[in-house]
Amino acid sequence: KQEVTQIPAALSVPEGENLVLNCSFTDSAIYNLQWFRQDPGKGLTSLLLIQSSQREQTSGRLNASLDKSSGRSTLYIAASQPGDSATYLCAVSGGSNYKLTFGKGTLLTVNP
Amino acid sequence: DAGVIQSPRHEVTEMGQEVTLRCKPISGHDYLFWYRQTMMRGLELLIYFNNNVPIDDSGMPEDRFSAKMPNASFSTLKIQPSEPRDSAVYFCASGNTEAFFGQGTRLTVV
Repeated sequence: KQEVTQIPAALSVPEGENLVLNCSFTDSAIYNLQWFRQDPGKGLTSLLLIQSSQREQTSGRLNASLDKSSGRSTLYIAASQPGDSATYLCAVSGGSNYKLTFGKGTLLTVNP
Repeated sequence: DAGVIQSPRHEVTEMGQEVTLRCKPISGHDYLFWYRQTMMRGLELLIYFNNNVPIDDSGMPEDRFSAKMPNASFSTLKIQPSEPRDSAVYFCASGNTEAFFGQGTRLTVV
């Protein structure tokens, strides 16, 4: 059974800092990995999708990497802003099906 | 596209009542998912469909829960009878390779 772990559970940083969020998964036979953002009381917004054959994806100040063999992914946020404050969730889909298994998320607070 | 649309956004009901949650997926998406989110357990997959056919319902907690997808543009999740422990936020998502989520339905069973 796939298990996804996100470290740290919470992170507080000053504005402008670069930061890294970590995600690990137990079964490397994944189809893809997706990073989401969730604001309080809201749904999930897809940030980046990495296919299993890819090593990284970039969107603006966000960069996500994938190391399938070690079962790890990182989300790098450059020059953090207070508007980046949210919960960031990592999810992987299995090799034989498309269902997403989620981590518990990292609650990020960027202080002005 | 308006994205994945869920209704209602909030539902408060008494224990024992039937609850029906609704979802309109994004047009052209082959997969539809129902998730439940709680503080204790995080996001849990309840069931997912591929081309309107249920593929995996192993996450449905009990027989009180049922889901249907009568056509490509509509799905329902029904709880009958509802219990206080069903209180959670229920999300619907659709996609092909990338999943897109609705805003969720916050269910409170009193």
